[in-house]
Amino acid sequence: AQSVSQHNHHVILSEAASLELGCNYSYGGTVNLFWYVQYPGQHLQLLLKYFSGDPLVKGIKGFEAEFIKSKFSFNLRKPSVQWSDTAEYFCAVNDYNTDKLIFGTGTRLQVFP
Amino acid sequence: GAVVSQHPSWVICKSGTSVKIECRSLDFQATTMFWYRQFPKQSLMLMATSNEGSKATYEQGVEKDKFLINHASLTLSTLTVTSAHPEDSSFYICSARRLVDEKLFFGSGTQLSVL
Repeated sequence: AQSVSQHNHHVILSEAASLELGCNYSYGGTVNLFWYVQYPGQHLQLLLKYFSGDPLVKGIKGFEAEFIKSKFSFNLRKPSVQWSDTAEYFCAVNDYNTDKLIFGTGTRLQVFP
Repeated sequence: GAVVSQHPSWVICKSGTSVKIECRSLDFQATTMFWYRQFPKQSLMLMATSNEGSKATYEQGVEKDKFLINHASLTLSTLTVTSAHPEDSSFYICSARRLVDEKLFFGSGTQLSVL
């Protein structure tokens, strides 16, 4: 069965620090990859996605993620975080064959001013 | 942007009663809606895939007689937790796939507490 691993459960950073959240998936077939964000008290929102093409994907609010097929990874990055980035971040994988969206356990990011 | 309304956002019920959760796509049509469950500090787990006009597809380990799903229109899917027990207490989230471009949009979730 497919699975998604997010290694960092809780990350604490100061403003302007750089961010990298890890995401690995276990599936050898064709996948679509997503990062979702859930700000406190709000809905899940799509941050960025990878379907095909350039493996470096740029999303909203300065986030980007790089798909490295050989490592089954899709890490999320931001060069300089802001206090407003405090949220829960979920990596997800969509399996072409089953059309299911499988989520990682999430990473809670806290950014202090 | 597209909006998915999930109602209620919070419900407390007695053990043995049934609770219905609604998921509506307010400004788009969705042939497919998904229901997820999230336990504290755990991932979102897909419970079932709901297709308009047909029976829902349940994930392994999810009791279809306990979690009744109805998707009667292109804008509404409902999840009914029947004979709820304390172990059903959880956060339930729906998502809707927009027909025109297949993008997914999420509801705000429902926190269910069964006493």
